[in-house]
Amino acid sequence: GQQLNQSPQSMFIQEGEDVSMNCTSSSIFNTWLWYKQDPGEGPVLLIALYKAGELTSNGRLTAQFGITRKDSFLNISASIPSDVGIYFCAGLNTGTASKLTFGTGTRLQVTL
Amino acid sequence: KAGVTQTPRYLIKTRGQQVTLSCSPISGHRSVSWYQQTPGQGLQFLFEYFSETQRNKGNFPGRFSGRQFSNSRSEMNVSTLELGDSALYLCASSLRGRWEQYFGPGTRLTVT
Repeated sequence: GQQLNQSPQSMFIQEGEDVSMNCTSSSIFNTWLWYKQDPGEGPVLLIALYKAGELTSNGRLTAQFGITRKDSFLNISASIPSDVGIYFCAGLNTGTASKLTFGTGTRLQVTL
Repeated sequence: KAGVTQTPRYLIKTRGQQVTLSCSPISGHRSVSWYQQTPGQGLQFLFEYFSETQRNKGNFPGRFSGRQFSNSRSEMNVSTLELGDSALYLCASSLRGRWEQYFGPGTRLTVT
């Protein structure tokens, strides 16, 4: 099945650093969602984006809907140890009901 | 408000058997989607139900089926289990007219 490309695949950062990750697609989406998944748990919704160019924040997290509608970006500022986990982007075309297409994931590890 | 619940959380089955997984959506959510998560293929969409009707289906063989009840609870069934069916099966619910999906903790299925 299709997966969106996320980069980087993994990153090791120090507490307090800012983090950037992105997600690219070969096709257009009209909704982007960002999730975080902890080991053994389901993904938790972080941010939802609905319009090209939209910039939305949720605490230390900021996500952007790319203007080409084929990409999205997530930034985490001042990372803390509980930011550890796998971050997934997901694209949705509302014309195909609720079928989310997920990215390959970015594994984030934070050291003290 | 209680989140999405899935039962059982863990399951071990033998090749050739069948299995039924259950999902209770967030109260008031009428759309339920199912996803399979494996290390190799990532998160893949299985199917989506709304008002007891399957609205969308992913690229999985007919051994994978589902249904939704009038109270929006959903079940998925996998018949003639294969080793490759070992995965985390995730259920997500959403409100009508909203595209954000909220995931349950998943059912970890191991086929031996």
